[in-house]
Amino acid sequence: AQKITQTQPGMFVQEKEAVTLDCTYDTSDPSYGLFWYKQPSSGEMIFLIYQGSYDQQNATEGRYSLNFQKARKSANLVISASQLGDSAMYFCAMRVTGTASKLTFGTGTRLQVTL
Amino acid sequence: NAGVTQTPKFRVLKTGQSMTLLCAQDMNHEYMYWYRQDPGMGLRLIHYSVGEGTTAKGEVPDGYNVSRLKKQNFLLGLESAAPSQTSVYFCASNPASVSTDTQYFGPGTRLTVL
Repeated sequence: AQKITQTQPGMFVQEKEAVTLDCTYDTSDPSYGLFWYKQPSSGEMIFLIYQGSYDQQNATEGRYSLNFQKARKSANLVISASQLGDSAMYFCAMRVTGTASKLTFGTGTRLQVTL
Repeated sequence: NAGVTQTPKFRVLKTGQSMTLLCAQDMNHEYMYWYRQDPGMGLRLIHYSVGEGTTAKGEVPDGYNVSRLKKQNFLLGLESAAPSQTSVYFCASNPASVSTDTQYFGPGTRLTVL
C-alpha cells in the first residue's frame, strides 16, 4: 500500500521569501509519480508540479520546484518568491504505475503568506 | 471544453435520504474517480472506473454506489445518507495512457447530511 505523509499542518512565510513544504512517501513499487496540488479557499484542486520516479532532474514549473530525494523517499515542494496569492492548502499525492492512475493524498499543509 | 463538471455544487440532506451526484467530462478520458475530502484530511478515493461499464472500489467505498453507463459520465449514489457522509466530494478524470498528465478535477460538491 502507498502512503503520503505531510508533517506540517500549517506554515507561515513572509512575502517574497522562499518556503519548503515537506512530503515523504512510502511505496515498494519502483515506478511511480509524485504530484503537488494547491487548494485555495475557493476549494478547487489546482495541479502544480509532477515528478516521475525515474526522472533524473528535479521538476520545476515557474516559481515551483520539487526537491526529489529518492533514497530518502521525500518530495518536498519549494515555492520561491512567495506571493499573497500562494496562501492555500497544499497537498502532496502519489500515483503508482499500473494502478489505474489512482492518487493517494497526504493530509495537506496550510500555507499562509504574510506581508 | 468545460473539463470536469459536477452537479450539484451544494446539497443538504436529511439522514436516510438518497441522492445522486453527477460528474461529466468532455475530454474523452477513460478513467474517472470519486474522492471525498474531510477537514484535516486529504482526498480519499471512494470508487473509480477504468472505462464505460466498469467500476471498482477505492479506499472508502462503504455507503456509496457508482455507475458508468456512458464514458463521459460517472454517477455517485448515496442510498441512505448518514451524517458521516457530510463532506466535499470531488470527481476527477484521467486519460488511460501512462503519462505525466495530472488528474483533472471538478469543482467539488459540498454535501451536508443533517
